[in-house]
Amino acid sequence: AQSVTQLGSHVSVSEGALVLLRCNYSSSVPPYLFWYVQYPNQGLQLLLKYTSAATLVKGINGFEAEFKKSETSFHLTKPSAHMSDAAEYFCAVSQTFTSGTYKYIFGTGTRLKVLA
Amino acid sequence: DVKVTQSSRYLVKRTGEKVFLECVQDMDHENMFWYRQDPGLGLRLIYFSYDVKMKEKGDIPEGYSVSREKKERFSLILESASTNQTSMYLCASGGGRTYNEQFFGPGTRLTVL
Repeated sequence: AQSVTQLGSHVSVSEGALVLLRCNYSSSVPPYLFWYVQYPNQGLQLLLKYTSAATLVKGINGFEAEFKKSETSFHLTKPSAHMSDAAEYFCAVSQTFTSGTYKYIFGTGTRLKVLA
Repeated sequence: DVKVTQSSRYLVKRTGEKVFLECVQDMDHENMFWYRQDPGLGLRLIYFSYDVKMKEKGDIPEGYSVSREKKERFSLILESASTNQTSMYLCASGGGRTYNEQFFGPGTRLTVL
């Protein structure tokens, strides 16, 4: 069965510093991987997704993630943090059933704090 | 602009009440999902539906049921609300492929007293 692990439930960075949010996955088949962001009092919105087309995936708001099969990782990065990046970030992997239906399995989330 | 709407942003109910949470999507998506979100636990899947009148249990279905009578609408039902069901409930919809993005509603914060 697929699973994801997010290391660090809280991460603090200074404005302008590198953002690195970690996600490791477990999957017996080539995975589809996703990063979502949740701003306060809102639902989740997609930042980016990996669907095997390219290992370096660029998303919205300057975020990107690199799929590393050898490390079973899909870490999220942004070169320079902005105050508006403060939010909770979720990594997810999709799991397909023999019926053709699917579900997402989410990590426990990382809350990013950006310090002025 | 694509949209998933949920019937209430905040809801307060008493123990033992029957609670209905409604979700509507306007994207003609086959798949719809109900999650609950709790601090430190992330999002946990309660139920999902891949077609009208079809449903599958997620990871934590106990104490919940669902209904999907129309493609655009997916309801979550708490038959007899309990205090441990106090949580944020998120609805999502997605296309028919496993690599499709899920679109989320704004959430319903349910408090059971």
